[in-house]
Amino acid sequence: GDSVTQMEGPVTLSEEAFLTINCTYTATGYPSLFWYVQYPGEGLQLLLKATKADDKGSNKGFEATYRKETTSFHLEKGSVQVSDSAVYFCALSSTGNQFYFGTGTSLTVIP
Amino acid sequence: DTGVSQDPRHKITKRGQNVTFRCDPISEHNRLYWYRQTLGQGPEFLTYFQNEAQLEKSRLLSDRFSAERPKGSFSTLEIQRTEQGDSAMYLCASSSGRGYQETQYFGPGTRLLVL
Repeated sequence: GDSVTQMEGPVTLSEEAFLTINCTYTATGYPSLFWYVQYPGEGLQLLLKATKADDKGSNKGFEATYRKETTSFHLEKGSVQVSDSAVYFCALSSTGNQFYFGTGTSLTVIP
Repeated sequence: DTGVSQDPRHKITKRGQNVTFRCDPISEHNRLYWYRQTLGQGPEFLTYFQNEAQLEKSRLLSDRFSAERPKGSFSTLEIQRTEQGDSAMYLCASSSGRGYQETQYFGPGTRLLVL
């Protein structure tokens, strides 16, 4: 069945460091891929998405490229800020009926 | 557009009691989803509605769980005879239902604690 595997955390970085959170997936067909972010005490918010191979999603300095050949959708940001501290979830949907989420990666950015 | 709202935000109950949660989706969205999220895990799909029809249910949704969306707008999730293992965050999401490329918009969740 469809599934998402995320890099385990927690991740702690200094401000302005480079961030990579790995995400790989297993899916039938050609899923859409998403990154969601959850700030403390809040619900999940869509960060970015990509709907076909080689698409790059980007938002707020974050980027992720849909790599069909490696079944990956790694999240990157060139220079993290303290305000980026949150839990990040990779997700996929093949049909729009069900979304499958990874276990989440907690990021803490220290000044 | 005020986003997806959920009520209550927190619920503490004793084992064996029934609880009901409400979700109000974004008004023009015809799809509504329920998820359960336990500590340190990602959301797990429970069920979803297209308008008022419940089209899919996860195996996670035991007979003690029931969800409704009577008029295709708000939805309720009821848990009967709660168990300590039901303690989790219950998330609601809605989408426009245009296909697998759509974005789901999540509410803030209802955190349930069963004592």
